[in-house]
Amino acid sequence: NAGVTQTPKFQVLKTGQSMTLQCAQDMNHEYMSWYRQDPGMGLRLIHYSVGAGITDQGEVPNGYNVSRSTTEDFPLRLLSAAPSQTSVYFCASSPGLGQFFGPGTRLTVL
Amino acid sequence: AQTVTQSQPEMSVQEAETVTLSCTYDTSESDYYLFWYKQPPSRQMILVIRQEAYKQQNATENRFSVNFQKAAKSFSLKISDSQLGDAAMYFCAYRRIGRNTPLVFGKGTRLSVIA
Repeated sequence: NAGVTQTPKFQVLKTGQSMTLQCAQDMNHEYMSWYRQDPGMGLRLIHYSVGAGITDQGEVPNGYNVSRSTTEDFPLRLLSAAPSQTSVYFCASSPGLGQFFGPGTRLTVL
Repeated sequence: AQTVTQSQPEMSVQEAETVTLSCTYDTSESDYYLFWYKQPPSRQMILVIRQEAYKQQNATENRFSVNFQKAAKSFSLKISDSQLGDAAMYFCAYRRIGRNTPLVFGKGTRLSVIA
């Protein structure tokens, strides 16, 4: 099993550009989620999904869209990037209790 | 809404000594899960230990143990015989009961280990 994979590992965008952060898991977990990590703020939940076709907002959803068409994939879309979205993004999946995290994507918006 | 508070932004410990990281949380739920995650410089989030609130016995994983005080809503992590590889950010996290519920994280404690 590859676990939870995220691409890309690093990305630099200009303000207003759009992009999609990819997340995939091969463990057949129902639950997947996206967090952002900012210095001194811990990890904050952006969006989550409890299964294919079902998504919900977390603590900081503004500026982000998600969809879940398959169990394996849970992409995060930034429609119009802003400097405030400069952060490290983590995807996670869970079979129930603890969560498995991907390696993270460091995003810089100029 | 549930909140998790880690009151120690930074801690340090001598190699081979013991250190305790503090965590408190706020919830109206009677059953839930609590976790400690480690984030080394590699950025990978690693589950260290977990505790189910209905269990009175404190969880232990090798050199890592917790002191779970449900009435006080306190969940501290004790690291015994500290090693250089323990240097990392440590995050306390809460998850309410249920199969598919999100984690709520504290802001983290940066642990340094002094040789």
